[in-house]
Amino acid sequence: DIVMTQTPLSLPVTLGQPASISCRSSQSLVHSDGNTYLSWLQQRPGQPPRLLIYKISNRFSGVPDRFSGSGAGTDFTLKISRVEAEDVGVYYCLQATQFPPSFTFGPGTKVDIK
Amino acid sequence: EVQLVESGGGVVRPGGSLTLSCAASGFTFDDYGMTWVRQAPGKGLEWVSGINWNGGRIGYADSVKGRFTISRDNAKNSLYLQMNSLRAEDTALYYCATVEEVEGWLDPWGQGTLVTVSS
Repeated sequence: DIVMTQTPLSLPVTLGQPASISCRSSQSLVHSDGNTYLSWLQQRPGQPPRLLIYKISNRFSGVPDRFSGSGAGTDFTLKISRVEAEDVGVYYCLQATQFPPSFTFGPGTKVDIK
Repeated sequence: EVQLVESGGGVVRPGGSLTLSCAASGFTFDDYGMTWVRQAPGKGLEWVSGINWNGGRIGYADSVKGRFTISRDNAKNSLYLQMNSLRAEDTALYYCATVEEVEGWLDPWGQGTLVTVSS
């Protein structure tokens, strides 16, 4: 089974400053079709998760352009160019390369304001 | 409006059973896979089970395999999770989410239904 790790697990940030979260998978997420099904989700306090990025770097509809994703193979990064107060929450990476039938979430990175 | 509404959660004793439902609206249900994800209090997201658009491919996390059964009724735009032999560690908020199988993303998500396993 694929194991997903994230660093850091806690990220205090200053408003207006950039932030970066790393996600690593225990094996390559490149699918046999050539795509890499790595997503990023945001979960604000008391809310269900929300999709931010899919297939490494594609911003989902309505997601601000301060969010960007990059990476390849087993190493991926989510960047927030300038953190805003509404970005507080937990960020999860998610591999969907093995779906169907399975997904794997990373442990989550808690972002809060210094 | 695209919407997923979970129901069926509650308090159940260890060893008991519960069936969760997820009602979908605002989109063509049988164009998408579906999945259940849970979140124990104060913890992260844990994938539970997934099913493709026609029910032909199903998967379970090792933690629930043999105890939980996922199913869908495309005529009723509904997803289900039959949970048997419940344990204290199954206590969590259970979310259903839509799976876009071609692009591999999960969206939208429901608000969740709480399952508490306690004696």
